[in-house]
Amino acid sequence: GAGVSQSPRYKVAKRGQDVALRCDPISGHVSLFWYQQALGQGPEFLTYFQNEAQLDKSGLPSDRFFAERPEGSVSTLKIQRTQQEDSAVYLCASSLVALNTEAFFGQGTRLTVV
Amino acid sequence: ELKVEQNPLFLSMQEGKNYTIYCNYSTTSDRLYWYRQDPGKSLESLFVLLSNGAVKQEGRLMASLDTKARLSTLHITAAVHDLSATYFCAVGRDSNYQLIWGAGTKLIIKP
Repeated sequence: GAGVSQSPRYKVAKRGQDVALRCDPISGHVSLFWYQQALGQGPEFLTYFQNEAQLDKSGLPSDRFFAERPEGSVSTLKIQRTQQEDSAVYLCASSLVALNTEAFFGQGTRLTVV
Repeated sequence: ELKVEQNPLFLSMQEGKNYTIYCNYSTTSDRLYWYRQDPGKSLESLFVLLSNGAVKQEGRLMASLDTKARLSTLHITAAVHDLSATYFCAVGRDSNYQLIWGAGTKLIIKP
């Protein structure tokens, strides 16, 4: 596709449920980022992939969060045993190379944990 | 620790006026980005600034970077309603891949 695609757009999960969020980056983009954006705040970095390698996962808030990009294209962010504080918009971005270039963002997945 | 502060956080202005949004950051940075976000939409890249003194312009928006002052500005000239959005700056360093984001400036332009 022409842009970064994320699915689902909206997800309501019961506390304790596992969720999986999908990101389809722009074809050929090497770099893929996940961010978490709370209401009224700027995005916060979660993790970074260069092709299939997860080079930085320092922003993942707990071991309940796990991300993968097994074939260097589509990525999945998984959250286990969701908690209310996980409610946020999860943004995926991709860029052609790692640094000094603009990243293109998807529309995000709004996760609400009830 | 790299911190990014934007001000103002909220700005309501009339069409036709000029205004500036400021982005201050706390430590040395190699790159600075400006993004626009409309409600419920994704972040749209506006400018990438990579060197001291860099100035970029697109339509009614102009961004500049002063790495010595650790300051970037986004200047809006003769604002129009279509520019209403939230504007974010984000700062990064070559030492890692992370971008640190400001809290955003919500801009409302009244006809």
